[in-house]
Formats: sequence, C-alpha cells, structure tokens
Amino acid sequence: GAVVSQHPSRVICKSGTSVKIECRSLDFQATTMFWYRQFPKKSLMLMATSNEGSKATYEQGVEKDKFLINHASLTLSTLTVTSAHPEDSSFYICSARGWISTDTQYFGPGTRLTVL
Amino acid sequence: AQTVTQSQPEMSVQEAETVTLSCTYDTSESDYYLFWYKQPPSRQMILVIRQEAYKQQNATENRFSVNFQKAAKSFSLKISDSQLGDAAMYFCAYRNFNNAGNMLTFGGGTRLMVKP
Repeated sequence: GAVVSQHPSRVICKSGTSVKIECRSLDFQATTMFWYRQFPKKSLMLMATSNEGSKATYEQGVEKDKFLINHASLTLSTLTVTSAHPEDSSFYICSARGWISTDTQYFGPGTRLTVL
Repeated sequence: AQTVTQSQPEMSVQEAETVTLSCTYDTSESDYYLFWYKQPPSRQMILVIRQEAYKQQNATENRFSVNFQKAAKSFSLKISDSQLGDAAMYFCAYRNFNNAGNMLTFGGGTRLMVKP
C-alpha cells in the first residue's frame, strides 16, 4: 500500500516553455501533498505544501508564480514549471500524506527536468 | 527552526558486516517523529524506519534498527548483515508531532557504499 506515482519520469523542454508534472496517490487518499526539489548529490528541499481544495503554501524563496501547484482532488496534485529556464533543471519529487498514516510521507519516484 | 545534521557524507561497509549511520537534530519540541529514508540509484525515496519520540523503545525493522537518544538528540541507524542492495543515499528526517502540515526536515544525507 501507500504507492505514489509521478508522471513523467523524465522531461526535456526548451527554455521558455511550461512543463506540468503529475503526482498521484494510487491506493490512498492524500489529504496533503508535498513538492521537493533535489539538486545532484544534495538533500531534498521542500518547495511547497498543498492541501486538497486549497491554495498551496510555498516555502521562502520559492516563486509561486513560477511553480504553480494545483491539488484538485484527493489523489492528484500537479506542479507546473512556467516559462522554464536552464536553472530550473533539477529532480522534482512529490510525496503524499493520507488519512490513515498521517505521520508518514510516501514519496513518488521523481521527475528529472532538463531545460535546454 | 529544527535542523537535522548527518555528519558522515560517505560511509563504506563490507558485505555482511554492520554499519551505523549518524544523525543529530536540534529541536525545542518534546514530541516529534524521526525517520530514516533510503534513496537508491533509482532516486525513489523509501521509508526505512521511523521512531516516535515518546517511545523509549528503539524501533527495529528486520536488519535495520535505530539508537534513539532523546536527551542527546541523536538518532543513528544501524544496518546489520549489510547487503549489496543497501547501497544508497540515506536521509534522516524530523517532523514535529503537532505539525498539521506534516513538514519534514531532512539531513544532508549519507552515501553508503557496500563492498562485496
């Protein structure tokens, strides 16, 4: 149980375009989802927390207009990187927390974004 | 703010031997959760073990056990009978007990290499 998927697993895009990453909880309802960014050989940096049906809470230094987060249902959250630039290239990971095990986050497999 | 420190960027262990990964944290809270996550080359974050601060007994999951020293704010991970598949990045993480957002604070990670 507690499986989280992400799509796509890898994406390459041109500078200036927008990219949407999906995060789904497959076998549980995720009341809260989290988006992280991970640079090579570094730890995870929390970008934002999203609760179903409400606006995401962004961490300090994260541009909300650049990283649009939508948590429209209890099983789906999306991260859209708008007007992507090469410095946005990174590994993006989502995680989800459900009703049953509220103290544990379950992570998706991540999405590698490369902006040319 | 809470901080999590992993002082060993890299560790190495011989297959079948035992290794201990260190983690210290700083908090003014009395109730919280601690976690160890494993990130293999696939980049998928996998929950290894978790500990509730109010429990005195150290958590154990098969070959993985922790040494939780609350007064010292130390939370080390012991891996017994190391296997090649244990090679990965290991992240220690902290969460407040009453944190409605369930936000995790991660340490910088320890890369574990297992020698055959």
